[in-house]
Amino acid sequence: IAGITQAPTSQILAAGRRMTLRCTQDMRHNAMYWYRQDLGLGLRLIHYSNTAGTTGKGEVPDGYSVSRANTDDFPLTLASAVPSQTSVYFCASSDSDSNTGELFFGEGSRLTVL
Amino acid sequence: GQNIDQPTEMTATEGAIVQINCTYQTSGFNGLFWYQQHAGEAPTFLSYNVLDGLEEKGRFSSFLSRSKGYSYLLLKELQMKDSASYLCAVMDSNYQLIWGAGTKLIIKP
Repeated sequence: IAGITQAPTSQILAAGRRMTLRCTQDMRHNAMYWYRQDLGLGLRLIHYSNTAGTTGKGEVPDGYSVSRANTDDFPLTLASAVPSQTSVYFCASSDSDSNTGELFFGEGSRLTVL
Repeated sequence: GQNIDQPTEMTATEGAIVQINCTYQTSGFNGLFWYQQHAGEAPTFLSYNVLDGLEEKGRFSSFLSRSKGYSYLLLKELQMKDSASYLCAVMDSNYQLIWGAGTKLIIKP
């Protein structure tokens, strides 16, 4: 089934540990995004990539890094996790040629940092 | 600063009609989106408005007034499965999406 796959679905992590959230899409979309979603707040953009080989910082990039080696994959890395990074993380993609710019989301990765 | 406002929670009855409002203040405007998000799931696209007026799609309609910085999502013939959060988002002049915190809609029988 075409779409976006995230892994892991859920993870509990000790503070200070390194963690990579994986995201793969098979829709050949140019643009990909990482958001975090916290209770009472709107989705907040962490990093984005308009095309393979390029990345940009979003609203809340500190403590996170991304890479975009190819069109399909867009991993998000927490170099040294802190409790404030406890959140639900959503990867999304969009077709830059689309009239609407509709985002397609993965199922989310729930991360708890203790 | 940029801001999207929508009610935190609304309750409606099965079979009825509900209107979820969204007001926005952004640097520029390149379209307004509505997404539906069931609890524990990913957001899914509902509608996109870039011009003033009403866009109808089945039981769901979305309205936009750019001069008033205002949109609403209208849900008709409510079903229990419509219980979800509804997210309003605006694309600003830099083509970045600014998201509201979402409106949790509770449908009662």
